[in-house]
Amino acid sequence: DAGVTQSPTHLIKTRGQQVTLRCSPKSGHDTVSWYQQALGQGPQFIFQYYEEEERQRGNFPDRFSGHQFPNYSSELNVNALLLGDSALYLCASSLKGGGRAYEQYFGPGTRLTVT
Amino acid sequence: GQQVMQIPQYQHVQEGEDFTTYCNSSTTLSNIQWYKQRPGGHPVFLIQLVKSGEVKKQKRLTFQFGEAKKNSSLHITATQTTDVGTYFCHAMDSNYQLIWGAGTKLIIKP
Repeated sequence: DAGVTQSPTHLIKTRGQQVTLRCSPKSGHDTVSWYQQALGQGPQFIFQYYEEEERQRGNFPDRFSGHQFPNYSSELNVNALLLGDSALYLCASSLKGGGRAYEQYFGPGTRLTVT
Repeated sequence: GQQVMQIPQYQHVQEGEDFTTYCNSSTTLSNIQWYKQRPGGHPVFLIQLVKSGEVKKQKRLTFQFGEAKKNSSLHITATQTTDVGTYFCHAMDSNYQLIWGAGTKLIIKP
């Protein structure tokens, strides 16, 4: 049973460029959440996708957008990259609980460096 | 937006000593989860608490959810080197918004 996978593992981009990160959820999961984690900080919630729609969003600008595909995999897109976007981007999958509690399984993350 | 305050930021202990981290919210939480992140790794789910006053144990780890569902704690008895990492609380508030504590880093003194 494959866990959550993310690609690529590392990425170096230049300011102003655009980046796409990918995530495949754990088998049987239908919900994907994306997080940004700066070095030494806790994860910051970006958004959550369920049934191919963005269901919740954290305090991130519109430069951050996403998509969920019919097979539940997801992409995170960041436009007009800033130096401050350098971080570990984590994807977490879960079963949609309809407001119930649910546990999240995290992928290994994509380390993005913006120069 | 709403935040969960997690304290302390760091805790240095001798191996064999106990460790405790606390999460506090100004508003009622629907549930709270605890995660552990090893250095260089990703968060790993430990436990979920839903009921007021709930206490759960996993070997040397004890998790509590306050009666008012506004605070929670994680206590590790007799720490071991394998316990090293950062412990995060993650909560869903009454509006189903997802919030994380800033984490408590457990450091074992050599």
